[in-house]
Amino acid sequence: RKEVEQDPGPFNVPEGATVAFNCTYSNSASQSFFWYRQDCRKEPKLLMSVYSSGNEDGRFTAQLNRASQYISLLIRDSKLSDSATYLCVVNRASQNFVFGPGTRLSVLP
Amino acid sequence: NAGVTQTPKFQVLKTGQSMTLQCAQDMNHEYMSWYRQDPGMGLRLIHYSVGAGITDQGEVPNGYNVSRSTTEDFPLRLLSAAPSQTSVYFCASSFESGGSYNEQFFGPGTRLTVL
Repeated sequence: RKEVEQDPGPFNVPEGATVAFNCTYSNSASQSFFWYRQDCRKEPKLLMSVYSSGNEDGRFTAQLNRASQYISLLIRDSKLSDSATYLCVVNRASQNFVFGPGTRLSVLP
Repeated sequence: NAGVTQTPKFQVLKTGQSMTLQCAQDMNHEYMSWYRQDPGMGLRLIHYSVGAGITDQGEVPNGYNVSRSTTEDFPLRLLSAAPSQTSVYFCASSFESGGSYNEQFFGPGTRLTVL
C-alpha cells in the first residue's frame, strides 16, 4: 500500500459543479497535511494547509480525519481556471514529505 | 525576491555522464529538498537538508549526491547518468515555525533526458 493514496481521476466536470477529492495516508505519526495544485509542466504550488478543525478558503474546503487517516478537498462552483492536478501531501517525519500521485481535474465550459 | 531558482531548465545527457543540477533560494529557509517527478508516480523525495552541513536520504537516493555548504544553495549531483534518471527534478525550500512544518516553495524544475 502506498503511503499516500488519492482518487485516480481524471475528473471531468462542468463549470459551476462541486467536486470532491479524497486522500488517505498510512503513517499515523504524520503531523502536517497539505493540498498542492500543479498546472501542466509547472511546479507544485500550495493550495491550502489542512488543519484538524477543517478550514475553508473561498470556494475551497479541506477536512482532516486523523482517526480514519483521511483528508478531503472540496471545490465549489468550479471555474475553468481550476483545471489542474491536485496533490495531497503528508509529512513522514521532520522535513520528509510524501506526495500522493495526484488527481487531475478538467473543468469543462 | 527570486524565491527558488533552478538551473538548467533542460538538459540532455548521455549514459555515464555526470552533472550537477543547481538550486538556490533567497528566503533564508532552513530546509531544502530535491524531488523527481515521473508520469503517474507523483513527486518522490531524493535527498533533503535541514540546515547547512546536514543532509539526509529520501525515498530514492541511489545515483545522486547532495551537499549543503550554505543556507542558500543545495546542488544535486548525478554521478553516472542512467536512462532511468530521465525525469523532471524539482528543488524546494521551506521553514518550520511553532513546531509546524510549513509549505514548500518549489523551483521551476529541470527537465533531464538521459540517452
